[in-house]
Amino acid sequence: EDQVTQSPEALRLQEGESSSLNCSYTVSGLRGLFWYRQDPGKGPEFLFTLYSAGEEKEKERLKATLTKKESFLHITAPKPEDSATYLCAVQARGQFYFGTGTSLTVIP
Amino acid sequence: EAEVAQSPRYKITEKSQAVAFWCDPISGHATLYWYRQILGQGPELLVQFQDESVVDDSQLPKDRFSAERLKGVDSTLKIQPAELGDSAMYLCASSSWTVADTQYFGPGTRLTVL
Repeated sequence: EDQVTQSPEALRLQEGESSSLNCSYTVSGLRGLFWYRQDPGKGPEFLFTLYSAGEEKEKERLKATLTKKESFLHITAPKPEDSATYLCAVQARGQFYFGTGTSLTVIP
Repeated sequence: EAEVAQSPRYKITEKSQAVAFWCDPISGHATLYWYRQILGQGPELLVQFQDESVVDDSQLPKDRFSAERLKGVDSTLKIQPAELGDSAMYLCASSSWTVADTQYFGPGTRLTVL
């Protein structure tokens, strides 16, 4: 069964405490993996698209990596404004599958 | 920067009433998606359009939901009659093959059914 699982469900970090969020997937024929940030009451904001194992992309304090089974979103020295829910989605065979997200709270 | 527009942002209605949501995708994006997102969960695809044609509506509750994109640009999602369980965020997204199917989302419509 095609599935996307994100962990942990919730993460609390002190400001400056680096960590990683995980997105594991069991789909065949991966076409792309997408990371989004979602603030409460708003639509998801696009962060990254990854296409193949070994690919990495960076934006400010965020770095996304991809292997054949999972993706990591690394957050370096997070700030309170990084607090949000981070969603992962995969596209395979014309279908999109979203995870349930990781709720990140960064404490000043 | 081009954005997906949605209206209204918030809608409160009573059960059994009809509601409609509107979406205007990023200019030039041929693919349009409607999602429903329940608090604490990921978006769930309701319907996908390619230009004016429905590509996937397998998860759309067709007894009460309908969607159209008559001219292949903006789109309307309708619920009639609304039920308590329809309370959720309704998200519209669009994509273009030129950016490898990356979906860009609008701000959403928060629906509350009383």
